[in-house]
Amino acid sequence: GAGVSQSPSNKVTEKGKDVELRCDPISGHTALYWYRQSLGQGLEFLIYFQGNSAPDKSGLPSDRFSAERTGGSVSTLTIQRTQQEDSAVYLCASSGSLNGEQYFGPGTRLTVT
Amino acid sequence: GDSVTQMEGPVTLSEEAFLTINCTYTATGYPSLFWYVQYPGEGLQLLLKATKADDKGSNKGFEATYRKETTSFHLEKGSVQVSDSAVYFCALSVQGNNRLAFGKGNQVVVIP
Repeated sequence: GAGVSQSPSNKVTEKGKDVELRCDPISGHTALYWYRQSLGQGLEFLIYFQGNSAPDKSGLPSDRFSAERTGGSVSTLTIQRTQQEDSAVYLCASSGSLNGEQYFGPGTRLTVT
Repeated sequence: GDSVTQMEGPVTLSEEAFLTINCTYTATGYPSLFWYVQYPGEGLQLLLKATKADDKGSNKGFEATYRKETTSFHLEKGSVQVSDSAVYFCALSVQGNNRLAFGKGNQVVVIP
């Protein structure tokens, strides 16, 4: 496809369970970002991957959150021991340039019950 | 730190009215500025951008000018349509930082 894709589109999980969210960036884009969109906090940066460099994890809210990017393409965001406050829409974006123009996927809506 | 402030509250206006959404920023470096739009049920889309002072970004009848002296990037459209109903986010990125810092967003509702 031409755009950023994310899966699943919706995920409902019980408190305490682990979840994995997937992002397929635009082909050829070297930069990949994860953001979280919630009612209380707005849009927050989580983590950034650029090529083979070490990721910028400075936005991750706790050590329950982690992400990896395999082969410089697909990325997985993992949330362990989910809490209700993790409920949000998780957005992935990719970029082919260094000036910050990012293209967003449709998001994964996570609901923790 | 880097931050973006948007005017509070939703904006409701009639079709063909003039739209302004205020955006001011604080940045440690020299930022690029963006407006993103989120239509109902859709993902975030880049609406326009400006990368240096006095640049004007424009798209779909929307405009915003990068004002370094007032640290602002206000969004304007001269005649809105119902199809412009969406949430609008102002954002910045600073080179070397790369992440986007977003404002809280403004819900715009255009009534026929």
